[in-house]
Amino acid sequence: EPEVTQTPSHQVTQMGQEVILRCVPISNHLYFYWYRQILGQKVEFLVSFYNNEISEKSEIFDDQFSVERPDGSNFTLKIRSTKLEDSAMYFCASRKTNGQGSGANVLTFGAGSRLTVL
Amino acid sequence: KQEVTQIPAALSVPEGENLVLNCSFTDSAIYNLQWFRQDPGKGLTSLLLIQSSQREQTSGRLNASLDKSSGRSTLYIAASQPGDSATYLCAAYNFNKFYFGSGTKLNVKP
Repeated sequence: EPEVTQTPSHQVTQMGQEVILRCVPISNHLYFYWYRQILGQKVEFLVSFYNNEISEKSEIFDDQFSVERPDGSNFTLKIRSTKLEDSAMYFCASRKTNGQGSGANVLTFGAGSRLTVL
Repeated sequence: KQEVTQIPAALSVPEGENLVLNCSFTDSAIYNLQWFRQDPGKGLTSLLLIQSSQREQTSGRLNASLDKSSGRSTLYIAASQPGDSATYLCAAYNFNKFYFGSGTKLNVKP
């Protein structure tokens, strides 16, 4: 079963430091997403990415956040200067297409990267 | 903006019982709706996806229904097992993103 792979599984950082979270989406998927889940809260949308550009972003995704697909397989989320409130589980997700067909639209999540900001 | 609500927030049932989890959404113009399972500290595992043109989907002991006009979806779990204990999330897709509910935490007692 193809899967979305995320690294690291857990990162502890000091406030103000830069963090890069990495994701390897399923190889034939074209739509990529980052979500986050603060402990005990809802899964929140951060950003979607298609055709090498951001297609949608939430109000959470401010100038401190950026995404890249540097080499055609990895998909990264960078937080430039972490804050305490950035502590959360960050999930990468991908799906094949935006069209009809039940298999094509299934959103597949990675296991998540837990970020702890001290 | 889409708002997704799940009730109940928590549910505890004895093993073998059939149960229904509810999901409601405020904007009926969804493209599809997906149900996920989340184990503590883990990622989200896709269970079922229902396209907007479909009424229901089945996988094993799971059956998900969708009523767009009323803004509701249900996840029916037949003959529940302790291994079904987890948090179940629904997510509605429109406006180019998935909107998640807060989840129903299910505990199936042996």
